[in-house]
Amino acid sequence: SQQGEEDPQALSIQEGENATMNCSYKTSINNLQWYRQNSGRGLVHLILIRSNEREKHSGRLRVTLDTSKKSSSLLITASRAADTASYFCATNAAGNKLTFGGGTRVLVKP
Amino acid sequence: GAVVSQHPSRVICKSGTSVKIECRSLDFQATTMFWYRQFPKQSLMLMATSNEGSKATYEQGVEKDKFLINHASLTLSTLTVTSAHPEDSSFYICSARGVGRPRGTEAFFGQGTRLTVV
Repeated sequence: SQQGEEDPQALSIQEGENATMNCSYKTSINNLQWYRQNSGRGLVHLILIRSNEREKHSGRLRVTLDTSKKSSSLLITASRAADTASYFCATNAAGNKLTFGGGTRVLVKP
Repeated sequence: GAVVSQHPSRVICKSGTSVKIECRSLDFQATTMFWYRQFPKQSLMLMATSNEGSKATYEQGVEKDKFLINHASLTLSTLTVTSAHPEDSSFYICSARGVGRPRGTEAFFGQGTRLTVV
């Protein structure tokens, strides 16, 4: 079963706007990771945030983690058409297995 | 980043035949490989975890006799879908972790294999 629930399931924005998506999970984690998947392709690792971190930045990406609420958010600033993809959160708990959320499909319109 | 190569990218097979999918780590030793299945517009579902030189650990509900996993070396794991049925049609993705590169908690993914059983 999937631990993570993501919302929204789909997001459509104009180029230049920010895109925010959220992920909730149910059990304790060691870290939480965000991945990107272009249609019909594999996953690309974007960013990892550890359970003792609250916020992390990487380029135009900003990730927050609230372990008390068991939730995380991914913000993509100044979006580009090339950011069109599905984004998945994945939690890493005991056993080092990744459990993926349902994903958010992002469409950035030029 | 580390490179994981998955082959083939697409395969069409007839019902009842077997299909083998390969997952290779090209620039690191993959002590652990994971196999996922993904249905259209859905998330990845972990099928099994394989450690080099030992039997794979399958997730609940995954038939180990149907989805044979072999991880005979530190750079290669294979998934064989035996006696394929149309309902086995799906997108299969592998990922790998290992010593050295990449870091232990970061997984690198293959490009996926689109299996269509006709």
